[in-house]
Amino acid sequence: AQTVTQSQPEMSVQEAETVTLSCTYDTSESDYYLFWYKQPPSRQMILVIRQEAYKQQNATENRFSVNFQKAAKSFSLKISDSQLGDAAMYFCAYREDSGGSNYKLTFGKGTLLTVNP
Amino acid sequence: EAQVTQNPRYLITVTGKKLTVTCSQNMNHEYMSWYRQDPGLGLRQIYYSMNVEVTDKGDVPEGYKVSRKEKRNFPLILESPSPNQTSLYFCASSPWGGRSNEQFFGPGTRLTVL
Repeated sequence: AQTVTQSQPEMSVQEAETVTLSCTYDTSESDYYLFWYKQPPSRQMILVIRQEAYKQQNATENRFSVNFQKAAKSFSLKISDSQLGDAAMYFCAYREDSGGSNYKLTFGKGTLLTVNP
Repeated sequence: EAQVTQNPRYLITVTGKKLTVTCSQNMNHEYMSWYRQDPGLGLRQIYYSMNVEVTDKGDVPEGYKVSRKEKRNFPLILESPSPNQTSLYFCASSPWGGRSNEQFFGPGTRLTVL
């Protein structure tokens, strides 16, 4: 079974600084998707960024970027110019692209990010 | 506005009293799924549905039932809730097929079973 590991239960960053959240995963599949979701205090799950495993180029969304290392099965999230609104729980998630019937997302346990003014 | 809605958002109930959490999406998505979120465990899939009348178990289905009689609705049923089902529940939906891969989440339902 696939597993997703977030080794940092909590992280903190100063406003305007850069922070990197770590994620590793275990799979025997070659085609899959990886995601970072943000969960602010409102509890809404918000998609931050996604990466298709077949793409070598790292995904970028404004201040958010990933470092996708397929061989190492690593998928870290970098937040640049951190803002107070970035404070949230961040979840790394994995999904197979095997053509099966279940689009199940396998989530890590989350990293709680605090942004200090 | 494209969205997934859940009701109720908060619910406190007692052991054994049947309850239903509704989920509805207005995006004509074929795929729908339920997750529960518990501290330190992330989100885990309960049930999923590929389309109307097609449902299957996820990783933690015990104590739950679902139905998919209409494409837009995917209710979660707890026939006899127990305290270990106290959790935060999310419904999610997604188009089926192709390279579509984003799942849209509802706002969550906080359930407490006393």
